[in-house]
Amino acid sequence: GENVEQHPSTLSVQEGDSAVIKCTYSDSASNYFPWYKQELGKRPQLIIDIRSNVGEKKDQRIAVTLNKTAKHFSLHITETQPEDSAVYFCAASKGDYKLSFGAGTTVTVRA
Amino acid sequence: EAGVTQFPSHSVIEKGQTVTLRCDPISGHDNLYWYRRVMGKEIKFLLHFVKESKQDESGMPNNRFLAERTGGTYSTLKVQPAELEDSGVYFCASSPLAGGLDTQYFGPGTRLTVL
Repeated sequence: GENVEQHPSTLSVQEGDSAVIKCTYSDSASNYFPWYKQELGKRPQLIIDIRSNVGEKKDQRIAVTLNKTAKHFSLHITETQPEDSAVYFCAASKGDYKLSFGAGTTVTVRA
Repeated sequence: EAGVTQFPSHSVIEKGQTVTLRCDPISGHDNLYWYRRVMGKEIKFLLHFVKESKQDESGMPNNRFLAERTGGTYSTLKVQPAELEDSGVYFCASSPLAGGLDTQYFGPGTRLTVL
């Protein structure tokens, strides 16, 4: 089955700095890569996703890049703010609905 | 619109007891999924319903777990008898279309503790 590795497991950044989270996947048939953010005590929420026919996607301060050849994708958060503190999960899917998740990255933004 | 809801939010039971978790998907969503996160590890897929039919239950750990979705609306996940390793957060998610890959909307989860 699909195996998704996520790094780092924890990330502490100064407010205003950038944060980068990296994920690798094992199944070259994967074609959908969502990122979820889970704030403390709340549900995981989709923040951005990318499909395999696109190399990069941006939404305000958040961007995701995908390298299909290397089978890795990354989340970039610029100008971090305290409200960006959360656990972030990457995931991959082959289009069969089943999401395979990474283990999560706990991001702390220091004021 | 109302999001995915799950009940209860927390459950603490003794080993050997039975627990039933409930998920109400977003109204009109054909796809319903169960996932589980154990001890800070990755969120793992358990199974997928399309309406009332089990589409994929490859992630179900063993036959102590039984999921149902009668009438294609809400779903229940029963664990009987519960074991210590069943502790974790059980998430339900739903998505709107059958036959297409759409955003999965997650519920807040049920935290299950087996003592």
